[in-house]
Amino acid sequence: GAVVSQHPSRVICKSGTSVKIECRSLDFQATTMFWYRQFPKQSLMLMATSNEGSKATYEQGVEKDKFLINHASLTLSTLTVTSAHPEDSSFYICSARVFGADVGYGYTFGSGTRLTVV
Amino acid sequence: AQTVTQSQPEMSVQEAETVTLSCTYDTSENNYYLFWYKQPPSRQMILVIRQEAYKQQNATENRFSVNFQKAAKSFSLKISDSQLGDTAMYFCALAAQGGSEKLVFGKGTKLTVNP
Repeated sequence: GAVVSQHPSRVICKSGTSVKIECRSLDFQATTMFWYRQFPKQSLMLMATSNEGSKATYEQGVEKDKFLINHASLTLSTLTVTSAHPEDSSFYICSARVFGADVGYGYTFGSGTRLTVV
Repeated sequence: AQTVTQSQPEMSVQEAETVTLSCTYDTSENNYYLFWYKQPPSRQMILVIRQEAYKQQNATENRFSVNFQKAAKSFSLKISDSQLGDTAMYFCALAAQGGSEKLVFGKGTKLTVNP
């Protein structure tokens, strides 16, 4: 249980265009979703926390106008990279906090999206 | 603020041997969880083991166990009988209860298991 499906797994886009990444919780309701960015051979850097029905909370230094996060339902959160540039190329991962008798307390992760901006 | 420190960027171990990965953390919260995650080349994050801060007993999951020293804010991972499939990046992470409960990661340790 507690599966998060993330799409697309890979995307290549042209500089200046926008890209949307979706994360869906398949068998549970994700009240809170976390979005991370990971550069090669580095750790996961938290970009923002999204709560269903409210505005996302961005970490210091993350441009909220460039990385638009929407969490309109308990099963879907999206990250849109607007006016993408080559420096936005990275691996993006979503995560949801889970808590239940079967899974205990923890976090489940999407499989990630490799974004390449050319 | 929460911080997690992993001081070993890379480690290697021979197959069937035991290896210990180090992690220290800092938080002002009394209630928190600690995790070890594995990230293989596929980059899928996989939970290895979890420890509730209020539990004194160290968590174990088959070949994986932790040494949780709350006063020292230390949380090391021991892998016994290492297998080739254990080769991966290992991240120590902390989630404090209350507030956003965001998960904070250390920089990771790249573990290579040699045949």
